[in-house]
Amino acid sequence: EAQVTQNPRYLITVTGKKLTVTCSQNMNHEYMSWYRQDPGLGLRQIYYSMNVEVTDKGDVPEGYKVSRKEKRNFPLILESPSPNQTSLYFCASSFRGASGGYTFGSGTRLTVV
Amino acid sequence: AQSVTQLDSQVPVFEEAPVELRCNYSSSVSVYLFWYVQYPNQGLQLLLKYLSGSTLVKGINGFEAEFNKSQTSFHLRKPSVHISDTAEYFCAVSETNNNAGNMLTFGGGTRLMVKP
Repeated sequence: EAQVTQNPRYLITVTGKKLTVTCSQNMNHEYMSWYRQDPGLGLRQIYYSMNVEVTDKGDVPEGYKVSRKEKRNFPLILESPSPNQTSLYFCASSFRGASGGYTFGSGTRLTVV
Repeated sequence: AQSVTQLDSQVPVFEEAPVELRCNYSSSVSVYLFWYVQYPNQGLQLLLKYLSGSTLVKGINGFEAEFNKSQTSFHLRKPSVHISDTAEYFCAVSETNNNAGNMLTFGGGTRLMVKP
């Protein structure tokens, strides 16, 4: 089944403790992206990648890092999480960018206390 | 820079009634337009998209949307809703000349609540 898989689905952590949210797609898509969803704000792009070793900042990159060492994986790294990063996170992938439509993962609900 | 405004945060409607979810966008260049649906505890799923051509676009689950360039709108409609349509709906825009990974800008979402 074609899908984007995120792990974990739920995560509670403490301020300052480094964490990684994994994202993997099995569709051989070139484009991958991370979004955060907050009530009333819709989804905002954190980082995106157009291919292996090509990443760039989205609208809200502060406090996040990503890497794209393999085509299928695009992990999101929070080096020192803070409470304002409590949010619902989505990874998405696409064959040819927005015009092809993005496939989204099921989300990761992160709480930073 | 592009932006998207969804005018209604919540839309309550009775089952089998028609519904329209409103979306307006702002951009200085040509755009692609999208509607995504998010069912409870799930990721987003593409409902329909406008890339070019006919301004009336049909999507899955009986939804359709009309692109109106002069009013910079892309409203979503369904003639008769079902309980299963209860979900959050997101309008999104991407500028056609955007080489930055085809960045999608989302509206704040509209929660459609279908009542029996």
